[in-house]
Amino acid sequence: GAVVSQHPSWVICKSGTSVKIECRSLDFQATTMFWYRQFPKQSLMLMATSNEGSKATYEQGVEKDKFLINHASLTLSTLTVTSAHPEDSSFYICSARDRGRVSGELFFGEGSRLTVL
Amino acid sequence: RKEVEQDPGPFNVPEGATVAFNCTYSNSASQSFFWYRQDCRKEPKLLMSVYSSGNEDGRFTAQLNRASQYISLLIRDSKLSDSATYLCVVTTTGFQKLVFGTGTRLLVSP
Repeated sequence: GAVVSQHPSWVICKSGTSVKIECRSLDFQATTMFWYRQFPKQSLMLMATSNEGSKATYEQGVEKDKFLINHASLTLSTLTVTSAHPEDSSFYICSARDRGRVSGELFFGEGSRLTVL
Repeated sequence: RKEVEQDPGPFNVPEGATVAFNCTYSNSASQSFFWYRQDCRKEPKLLMSVYSSGNEDGRFTAQLNRASQYISLLIRDSKLSDSATYLCVVTTTGFQKLVFGTGTRLLVSP
């Protein structure tokens, strides 16, 4: 099956620093990738839709200048949490859709657990 | 009202039991429906799609009721390994946006 790799799987950083998370589709091309955030005991909340070669589409309430998304190729999207603060600590998950499939199934990365001290 | 609502549980059942989860969605334009499974601190993984006619995959049966806007998942002969959170997922035309329910936690005990 399709594989999406996310890196790093966990990161601890100091408040005020920036953290970059990578999401790669390993065996398929993904014109669209999605970034989710999940707080403990809550559902996955869509943050933004990343489109290859164009600007990301952010959900309401998500600051685009704080969560920078770059989707420079058909297999890579990055999320940068800028000037991270403790309230940004969360589980960030990316997902990608294989454009070669019609099922619409999303494949998820393993997630990145961010802890901001 | 949340777009996708689920009973958070937890559902505590013994091995071998049959358990059912329901999920309701508010957007009548929703087109596709899925059940995902999420283990603790892991990413969600697709369990099964949900088709209008209902579908079965081994011990798992999914049903869709468009008129009442709810989806169900039935697990028969529960195994310890079925312990997880089950997420109901709904998407609109073109699969542009998936909306997740908060999940229903299942605990299967020996």
